[in-house]
Amino acid sequence: KQEVTQIPAALSVPEGENLVLNCSFTDSAIYNLQWFRQDPGKGLTSLLLIQSSQREQTSGRLNASLDKSSGRSTLYIAASQPGDSATYLCAVQAGTASKLTFGTGTRLQVTL
Amino acid sequence: EAQVTQNPRYLITVTGKKLTVTCSQNMNHEYMSWYRQDPGLGLRQIYYSMNVEVTDKGDVPEGYKVSRKEKRNFPLILESPSPNQTSLYFCASSSWTGGYNEQFFGPGTRLTVL
Repeated sequence: KQEVTQIPAALSVPEGENLVLNCSFTDSAIYNLQWFRQDPGKGLTSLLLIQSSQREQTSGRLNASLDKSSGRSTLYIAASQPGDSATYLCAVQAGTASKLTFGTGTRLQVTL
Repeated sequence: EAQVTQNPRYLITVTGKKLTVTCSQNMNHEYMSWYRQDPGLGLRQIYYSMNVEVTDKGDVPEGYKVSRKEKRNFPLILESPSPNQTSLYFCASSSWTGGYNEQFFGPGTRLTVL
């Protein structure tokens, strides 16, 4: 059974810092990995999608990497801003049902 | 605007009173699914559908029903809600090419069962 773990569970950083969020998964037979952002009481916003054949994806200040063989992904956020404060979720997609298996998230707070 | 919509966004009900949460997408996606989100447990899949009239159970289907009569709609039905179904529910959709596609999520429905 696929399990997804995110470390740390919570993180507080001052504005301007670069930071890394970690995601690990137990079964490397995945189609892709997605990073999402969730604001309190809101839905999920897709940030980056990395296909299993890819090593990384970039969007603006965000860069996500994937090492499928070791079951790891990282989300790098450059020059963090207070508006980046949210919970970040990673999810892997696998199996005939195309199910997403989610981690429990990293709650990020960027302070002034 | 391409989107997944859910209604209602918030619902408070009582044990045993049947309810339906609607989900609709305007992207002509084949694949749709329902998740629930609970503190400490993350998001878990309830049911999914690969196309019209094709549905199957996810990880936590007990107490829920779904139907897929039209491609754009995928309602979630709670025939006899119980307090342990108090949760935040999300509908998602994607095009279907064997699982390699980005999934789009609705805004969520916060359900409280008293």
